[in-house]
Amino acid sequence: KNQVEQSPQSLIILEGKNCTLQCNYTVSPFSNLRWYKQDTGRGPVSLTIMTFSENTKSNGRYTATLDADTKQSSLHITASQLSDSASYICVVSARETGANNLFFGTGTRLTVIP
Amino acid sequence: NAGVTQTPKFQVLKTGQSMTLQCAQDMNHEYMSWYRQDPGMGLRLIHYSVGAGITDQGEVPNGYNVSRSTTEDFPLRLLSAAPSQTSVYFCASRPRTVSDTGELFFGEGSRLTVL
Repeated sequence: KNQVEQSPQSLIILEGKNCTLQCNYTVSPFSNLRWYKQDTGRGPVSLTIMTFSENTKSNGRYTATLDADTKQSSLHITASQLSDSASYICVVSARETGANNLFFGTGTRLTVIP
Repeated sequence: NAGVTQTPKFQVLKTGQSMTLQCAQDMNHEYMSWYRQDPGMGLRLIHYSVGAGITDQGEVPNGYNVSRSTTEDFPLRLLSAAPSQTSVYFCASRPRTVSDTGELFFGEGSRLTVL
């Protein structure tokens, strides 16, 4: 069964600290993995995409990693800011021709406090 | 560029009432979809469409109807609202071309409360 699991469910950190969010998946055949950021009251927005051949990708203070062998991804946030407070959703695409090929995690709720 | 536009942002209904959530996109995306988001359950697919005149059911389609008469619009209809349909609804689109990397473009959401 294709599944995406994220941990932790929620996380509270002090401003300026680093944190790492986890995403484990069983989706097969794998196409790519995306991290989305969802601010409160807004729709999710794509942060980064990881394909099979990529191990690490950075987008400013956000760094995503992918281990396709263990089917794990992480999102590392460096020097957190108050604006990083949001939910982070991991979405895995299956390499299929059908339109319904996206599998969603339930998200990690990050709160950055001053 | 407006992207994906949803209306209304907030709506309160009584049990048994009907309503339509509107969704429009101006990116000429073939694929459009509706999700509901509930605490602890993440985003769940209700219905989707791969082009005008083509719709299909997702994971949780019961109680909802959709139609796709144009590329731009994809309304979601609740024929007889139930308290279990209290949720935040998101419309999303993506291209279905060689440039499709699976990125979904979401609207801002519609918060529906059924009393």
